[in-house]
Amino acid sequence: KAGVTQTPRYLIKTRGQQVTLSCSPISGHRSVSWYQQTPGQGLQFLFEYFSETQRNKGNFPGRFSGRQFSNSRSEMNVSTLELGDSALYLCASSNIGGTEAFFGQGTRLTVV
Amino acid sequence: GQQLNQSPQSMFIQEGEDVSMNCTSSSIFNTWLWYKQDPGEGPVLLIALYKAGELTSNGRLTAQFGITRKDSFLNISASIPSDVGIYFCAGPLPMGNQFYFGTGTSLTVIP
Repeated sequence: KAGVTQTPRYLIKTRGQQVTLSCSPISGHRSVSWYQQTPGQGLQFLFEYFSETQRNKGNFPGRFSGRQFSNSRSEMNVSTLELGDSALYLCASSNIGGTEAFFGQGTRLTVV
Repeated sequence: GQQLNQSPQSMFIQEGEDVSMNCTSSSIFNTWLWYKQDPGEGPVLLIALYKAGELTSNGRLTAQFGITRKDSFLNISASIPSDVGIYFCAGPLPMGNQFYFGTGTSLTVIP
């Protein structure tokens, strides 16, 4: 059974640009969550999607958005990038009961 | 959001030593999860605990779900260099699919 797949693994963008990250969950998982991880802040919850609907949202500005498609694949978009957006972005899919989260390898975003 | 308190923050141990770390919360959890993260990679689920008092092993790793349901413990026996990484505890919110994460314990194993 394939795990959670995130693409791309690495990205370098310039301030002011926008970026789209992709996540394919484990087959059969309908919930996808996104997290931002930085050395000083740990794992910060961005949002969670279930059956194409955003159910939960963390405390991030509106520049961070996401969506989920009918096949449960999810994308995350960050507009007007800032230097502070440099981080490892992790996607996780949850099992049917929502009690276990399985992570992808992450996308390392560097904003210069 | 809420964060779980993990201790210690970091550990430096000799290869072969045993390791203990714990995670506490002000709220009750019905599930406790333990993850290991290697540098630049996503966290990997090591152990999941579902019942207060439960003791579960995965190789040299043993985790326990605290009786109060507000804490959990992870032990690693006979540490080896590949145990190096950051260990996170996590617990799902009651509705599921959203998780609180601990602040992490960074483990360094000295050969």
